[in-house]
Amino acid sequence: DAGVIQSPRHEVTEMGQEVTLRCKPISGHNSLFWYRQTMMRGLELLIYFNNNVPIDDSGMPEDRFSAKMPNASFSTLKIQPSEPRDSAVYFCASRDSRNEKLFFGSGTQLSVL
Amino acid sequence: AQSVTQPDIHITVSEGASLELRCNYSYGATPYLFWYVQSPGQGLQLLLKYFSGDTLVQGIKGFEAEFKRSQSSFNLRKPSVHWSDAAEYFCAVGARAGNMLTFGGGTRLMVKP
Repeated sequence: DAGVIQSPRHEVTEMGQEVTLRCKPISGHNSLFWYRQTMMRGLELLIYFNNNVPIDDSGMPEDRFSAKMPNASFSTLKIQPSEPRDSAVYFCASRDSRNEKLFFGSGTQLSVL
Repeated sequence: AQSVTQPDIHITVSEGASLELRCNYSYGATPYLFWYVQSPGQGLQLLLKYFSGDTLVQGIKGFEAEFKRSQSSFNLRKPSVHWSDAAEYFCAVGARAGNMLTFGGGTRLMVKP
């Protein structure tokens, strides 16, 4: 299996632009998570899905952030409009429900200028 | 609310020396405990986890961790560090039946030749 695949690896954009991050979870995993990592706040859970349904989005910082999971093999995290304080590494992870183990993607480094 | 504290932000050890990374948690029920490693430019990789049973757990790459309920600790150890162990290490706690993990702030390990 190729693991959790995130794209793009790096994204540089200007303030006010829309940003879309993508994630393909491991086949067969029924839970998907979006995390954000910053120097100031460390690793934060933004939202997670079970069977493509959003379960808890209390970690989403603002209405500018939205996430979707239209099917079991794809999820997006969108920021519109983006702001410089959104600059961070965004990780997607999927979970093997048999042993609670999380598998992380390599992350997307987002820089908002 | 659950929380995880990693008291050491940075640690430097010489190659071949032993290593211990500290992790203290606060949790109201029986925790699931994890250690993840993040190498530069990479996603998070699971080193080991504790769910129940033997309080000394073995992980990959020669790491082990000991769960001490009385001290609310789950410290990570390695008897002899290799230069390739230089990375950031995250401790995390989660609920047995839940989906959300709380991460510590991370400890950055540097290895001197």
